[in-house]
Parts: sequence; structure tokens; C-alpha cells
Amino acid sequence: GNSVTQMEGPVTLSEEAFLTINCTYTATGYPSLFWYVQYPGEGLQLLLKATKADDKGSNKGFEATYRKETTSFHLEKGSVQVSDSAVYFCALILSASKIIFGSGTRLSIRP
Amino acid sequence: DVKVTQSSRYLVKRTGEKVFLECVQDMDHENMFWYRQDPGLGLRLIYFSYDVKMKEKGDIPEGYSVSREKKERFSLILESASTNQTSMYLCAARDTVIYEAFFGQGTRLTVV
Repeated sequence: GNSVTQMEGPVTLSEEAFLTINCTYTATGYPSLFWYVQYPGEGLQLLLKATKADDKGSNKGFEATYRKETTSFHLEKGSVQVSDSAVYFCALILSASKIIFGSGTRLSIRP
Repeated sequence: DVKVTQSSRYLVKRTGEKVFLECVQDMDHENMFWYRQDPGLGLRLIYFSYDVKMKEKGDIPEGYSVSREKKERFSLILESASTNQTSMYLCAARDTVIYEAFFGQGTRLTVV
């Protein structure tokens, strides 16, 4: 079946540290891949996306590359800020199908 | 950007009440979804709708029903609210070409 596995949190980093949140997927066909972010008390917002292999999505200093050979879509940021504290969800979408989310990773950034 | 609006941010209801959660989108997206989010369990799909009057059960439909009479509106109904339905409820709309999903701000429901 189709599934998304992302690293468990919580992840706690100091400001300006390098961030990686791992995400791997299992899917039949060719999914589009997404990272969503949820700030405290809010709904989910799209952070970035990639629709085919080797595409790189980027936004607000975050990046993720769609790696078909390793079935991965790891989220990275070179220098995190306190304002990046949130829950991050990796997701895949196949055509004519529902959205499949990972379990979410809570990120806390210390000043 | 697509805007998805949920009718309430916070709701408190009594056990046994019939509860309606409303969701409206301002674009012409075919797909709409209802999820619930609980600590440690992530997002779980309750129902989704792929067009007006069309619906399909998700992973946890028990105790819920939905209504989609118009394309822009997707309602989640708790037939008889129970305390184990206390949760954050998230609505989403998605275009079937772009695939990107847009979420509402969430409704935090407490059943007492």
C-alpha cells in the first residue's frame, strides 16, 4: 500500500543550527510529494512541493528533493529560527486519490 | 490562493448532541476532505468527497457522516457526540490537476 514514514520528534535545535527531517515513502505509481507546516493552534499550510523525480521544492529557506531511487523527500534548512518552531508533515498525493500524511515531526528551536 | 474556511475555531458540545462542522472553499475544487488530528496519531481521514453528492469513507468514519449539496461546502456531522470525538478537525480542498491541498484553520471540538 501507499504510506509515508517520517522521523519521530520532537526535534529540538538551537537557533542557526542545520535542520534535517527525514521522510520516506512507499507508493504505487508516481506521487507528488509535499511538506506541510502547522504552527501552534493553526491549520496546515503548504511549505513546498515536488511533482516528479529530481525536482527540488523550496520556500522560506527550506528545501527538499524528490529522490525516486531512495524513495525519499527529506526536508532541510541551513539555519533555523525560533519562528520555525512548528509541526512538519510530509505527504504524498497520487492522482484521483486521497492525501497520505506522515505522522508529523514537532520541531522546537531554542533562542 | 484558495481559501478554505471552517465555521468555528472552538466548539464545546455535550455528549449526545448532534454536531455540525461546516467548511467552505472559495474555488471550484472537486475534492474536499475531513481529517481529525490527535496527539501521537497524526492526521486521520474521516471522509472525503470527490464531487457534489459524492462521498467516500476514509479510515475512521464511524460515528460521522458528511453532506456535500453544493460544490463549495462540505459538512461533517457527528450524529451523537461522544467524549472520544474531542479532537482538532481539519477540512481541506484539492484541485484534481494541481493536486495541492489547501486547509482550513481547524476546529477544536470539545465534547463534555
